Amino acid sequence: SQQGEEDPQALSIQEGENATMNCSYKTSINNLQWYRQNSGRGLVHLILIRSNEREKHSGRLRVTLDTSKKSSSLLITASRAADTASYFCATLNSGNTPLVFGKGTRLSVIA
Amino acid sequence: DGGITQSPKYLFRKEGQNVTLSCEQNLNHDAMYWYRQDPGQGLRLIYYSQIVNDFQKGDIAEGYSVSREKKESFPLTVTSAQKNPTAFYLCASSRNGPPDTQYFGPGTRLTVL
Repeated sequence: SQQGEEDPQALSIQEGENATMNCSYKTSINNLQWYRQNSGRGLVHLILIRSNEREKHSGRLRVTLDTSKKSSSLLITASRAADTASYFCATLNSGNTPLVFGKGTRLSVIA
Repeated sequence: DGGITQSPKYLFRKEGQNVTLSCEQNLNHDAMYWYRQDPGQGLRLIYYSQIVNDFQKGDIAEGYSVSREKKESFPLTVTSAQKNPTAFYLCASSRNGPPDTQYFGPGTRLTVL
């Protein structure tokens, strides 16, 4: 029962450019989280945004949430080659059910 | 150095054999999770446990079994009933239950020969 769907599936940009990834979901959520995965490794939590928040910043990351459109976006500013990874959104529905992960966006930052 | 560990990193098994994947955490987290990831895909939940001696099935529990006898350990057994077990398996933990941020281990890549 995957809920979050990231878009695009893959993104390739030059170093220094901004990268924007989107996540759409289907049902009401408690919070939405973004994770990063380097190839062949575990996931690392990046940022959590609650359903009553609209925007959140963490370093070069900016996350927005539009609950009316059931969508979120992750912006990475001034990208670096080290940002190359897959990025997943995960949604937490109301209740106590576990996070549901999307299929991810594969970001390639070319030096 | 606190964290969550999985072993082994690579595992090979013959068809028809059961195999157990280890997951240990020293973060004092109550909840632990097992996910399966196939190439180019997202994570699918196999089992999760919110407290010792209790666990619930996820979306794809068939062919898998778990135990939670200790807070820090949540081993996953891939049984011979799992038809397509070759995948990357990820373990995670969180302080409390699902609303919390999850911390992931490095993963175990299982290949069935």
